[in-house]
Amino acid sequence: DVKVTQSSRYLVKRTGEKVFLECVQDMDHENMFWYRQDPGLGLRLIYFSYDVKMKEKGDIPEGYSVSREKKERFSLILESASTNQTSMYLCASSFEGFNEQYFGPGTRLTVT
Amino acid sequence: AQSVTQLDSQVPVFEEAPVELRCNYSSSVSVYLFWYVQYPNQGLQLLLKYLSGSTLVESINGFEAEFNKSQTSFHLRKPSVHISDTAEYFCAVTPLRGASKIIFGSGTRLSIRP
Repeated sequence: DVKVTQSSRYLVKRTGEKVFLECVQDMDHENMFWYRQDPGLGLRLIYFSYDVKMKEKGDIPEGYSVSREKKERFSLILESASTNQTSMYLCASSFEGFNEQYFGPGTRLTVT
Repeated sequence: AQSVTQLDSQVPVFEEAPVELRCNYSSSVSVYLFWYVQYPNQGLQLLLKYLSGSTLVESINGFEAEFNKSQTSFHLRKPSVHISDTAEYFCAVTPLRGASKIIFGSGTRLSIRP
């Protein structure tokens, strides 16, 4: 079974802090994704990566950056957290593009 | 550009009743279509997908969806629901060629009453 793990289930940070969200997958997938999930808005793609050290902006990259130094690990970085970044963050991976993505359990981030 | 509309944000049904969750999309190019399910306090799981071939696709737990190109719909159905089907369901599309994005609908919360 594919397993995607995220470093924290719940996280509380203060405005202005630098925040790291870590994601690890164990199936040697080429592609990895970061989404945020908000009620009534579904999932919105922040960034994705199709190879080590490669990254592409999604629909809402502003205020976020990513890092992929190893194939199995994809990190989402909030350089200076703001209250409007309070959300559920979901990481996913796939073998082929956007087909059949495998999701982690999510990190619920609260910025106060 | 693509968009996905899930017309119902919440659908309450009684156990063993049939259910239909509606999904309509718009796209200027051909697309792949997906239904994902999110059980409480979990990430999303792929429920079923349409890539090509038969327009009726089925999942292992009794759900099915039919791709209707003329109506640009991909509605999800189950003839008899169980308490364990309580979850949020997301429809999603991605372009067939040059797939560089995926669009998710806003989700439909299915609640099952005993």
